[in-house]
Amino acid sequence: DAGITQSPRYKITETGRQVTLMCHQTWSHSYMFWYRQDLGHGLRLIYYSAAADITDKGEVPDGYVVSRSKTENFPLTLESATRSQTSVYFCASRAGTANTGELFFGEGSRLTVL
Amino acid sequence: ILNVEQSPQSLHVQEGDSTNFTCSFPSSNFYALHWYRWETAKSPEALFVMTLNGDEKKKGRISATLNTKEGYSYLYIKGSQPEDSATYLCAFIDYGGSQGNLIFGKGTKLSVKP
Repeated sequence: DAGITQSPRYKITETGRQVTLMCHQTWSHSYMFWYRQDLGHGLRLIYYSAAADITDKGEVPDGYVVSRSKTENFPLTLESATRSQTSVYFCASRAGTANTGELFFGEGSRLTVL
Repeated sequence: ILNVEQSPQSLHVQEGDSTNFTCSFPSSNFYALHWYRWETAKSPEALFVMTLNGDEKKKGRISATLNTKEGYSYLYIKGSQPEDSATYLCAFIDYGGSQGNLIFGKGTKLSVKP
């Protein structure tokens, strides 16, 4: 089915472990984004990508790594997870280059770091 | 750091009531404002993308207005229904902002009692 999917939906890990959250979209949208959502904060941008092999930092990039070797995939890696990275992570995509395009969100990945 | 404020933080209304809430954003260098509807356990879905001062958009019983000179947008829901219960997010981007950087407010959580 067309859309944007995230995996895993739920993940529990331990401090110091590496974790990768996957995001896949079937629309061939140019832009993809990773946000985190925490109590008391709005959605905060971690990283975004304008196209394959083009990525850029958002508001809260520290501790995260992204890659985009293919247009449809945009994985987010926590190289050494910390408790402060316990959060709900949302991937999103947008068609075209204009900021007037709406975002399409995945269903979220809830990550707990013990 | 650009700030987007939404008020009220939460709202409880009876079925049939009309309601409105506010999104405030910096008035300089405005580029676009997005409104999203976020139901519990789902992902945010776009309602409106607004770009022009004085813009009014409507989708069913939900409408929005935009005042870029004073830096606010109103979202109105006419005759609220229980299915309107959700968190409503606004997101702003300024003209000088990076392509990725939609700044989200913390949202207004609406609960509609039958």
